[in-house]
Amino acid sequence: EVQLVESGGGLVQPGESLRLSCAASGFTFSSYPMNWVRQAPGKGLEWISNIRNDKDNTYYSDSVKGRFTISRDNAKNSLYLQMNSLRDEDTAIYYCATDSAWSFDSWGQGILVTVSS
Amino acid sequence: QSALTQPASVSGSPGQSITISCTGTSSDVGNYNFVSWYRQHPGKAPKLMLYDVTERPSGVPHRFSGSKSGDTASLTISGLQADDEADYYCCSYAGKFTWVFGGGTKLTVL
Repeated sequence: EVQLVESGGGLVQPGESLRLSCAASGFTFSSYPMNWVRQAPGKGLEWISNIRNDKDNTYYSDSVKGRFTISRDNAKNSLYLQMNSLRDEDTAIYYCATDSAWSFDSWGQGILVTVSS
Repeated sequence: QSALTQPASVSGSPGQSITISCTGTSSDVGNYNFVSWYRQHPGKAPKLMLYDVTERPSGVPHRFSGSKSGDTASLTISGLQADDEADYYCCSYAGKFTWVFGGGTKLTVL
């Protein structure tokens, strides 16, 4: 059974940094591209980042480009999201999700990030 | 990277059919057959219901079907059940390993 478990969320002040982790199990992690998708409180889903399975190629939405960095450690079956220069509008639940057939077929339970002074 | 357009809400009675539209542009929905749909119950993670416009993942009932014409994709749920009440999101591949979601549609089963 595929399991994705996010961690590292919490309350930070604007301008600060935070690193999210996503621990994967139940599938061959190194074979799958991975994504981060977020959802602001009461709002819709927003794709923010993708990393190919070879980890050398990364992609971002305009809203986070230059501030967030996605990475992965295939030996540890883990996905990461380094978030710098956080803003109020980055407040959201952050989900990691597998990328299969150009869709997101497995999701973690999500982790809340709150940016507030 | 503008969000795809979905109706804010739709409703139907048990046993009926409903359709949710998802309108994008020639850069996303109109250019790729990589439209997917997700169901999200309150407080839960999204669940993939359809991918590649019409394909159902294992375990998703045949009551869920999809189509696409031009820049608009659609999700049809037939034989509505109480558990179908949820938020539904469409998503399209938009090229260069980027994706765009719709704003979401709240389905109410009357």
